[in-house]
Amino acid sequence: DAEITQSPRHKITETGRQVTLACHQTWNHNNMFWYRQDLGHGLRLIHYSYGVQDTNKGEVSDGYSVSRSNTEDLPLTLESAASSQTSVYFCASSETSNQPQHFGDGTRLSIL
Amino acid sequence: QKEVEQDPGPLSVPEGAIVSLNCTYSNSAFQYFMWYRQYSRKGPELLMYTYSSGNKEDGRFTAQVDKSSKYISLFIRDSQPSDSATYLCAMEVQGAQKLVFGQGTRLTINP
Repeated sequence: DAEITQSPRHKITETGRQVTLACHQTWNHNNMFWYRQDLGHGLRLIHYSYGVQDTNKGEVSDGYSVSRSNTEDLPLTLESAASSQTSVYFCASSETSNQPQHFGDGTRLSIL
Repeated sequence: QKEVEQDPGPLSVPEGAIVSLNCTYSNSAFQYFMWYRQYSRKGPELLMYTYSSGNKEDGRFTAQVDKSSKYISLFIRDSQPSDSATYLCAMEVQGAQKLVFGQGTRLTINP
């Protein structure tokens, strides 16, 4: 069965460190998305990609970057981790516009 | 004002009750509407997907869309403890390729 996997599931790191969260999907979807989920804010879009070599900023992109070198993967990098970036991060993918997104099970990131 | 408003709850009801979850929105360009269910420590999973006004039924779940009032609902009949989860509404403009989510409503079904 096709799926979307995120790794690691949990991570603890220190402020100022660079952190990369992995997202891998086997749906062969063109569109991939990164969200963060915080109490009181719901899901907020960080970055998204509509295909290889395409990346776009979402509503909360400051301090984050992504790159898309193949269809399956969209890693999310925190350049210099800050405590405000402690959150649960979800990756999602969809085939095309106006199709439902499929989500991974998230990465719980704590920055101390 | 947020584009999509959803009462965060929490909402607690007895087993067997009919549950009504609601979202309102301000952008009349939204054409596609979804409901996701999210269990604790898991990712959201698609529950219902519709793009027209009216009702769509799937087992114990009914999604209702009223575009004139900019209001969508999810009804759960004969609710079960396994329905305890956070329910998120999401919507999208035609061709936009980006979903806008409500905050999510935390629902507990008590045995």
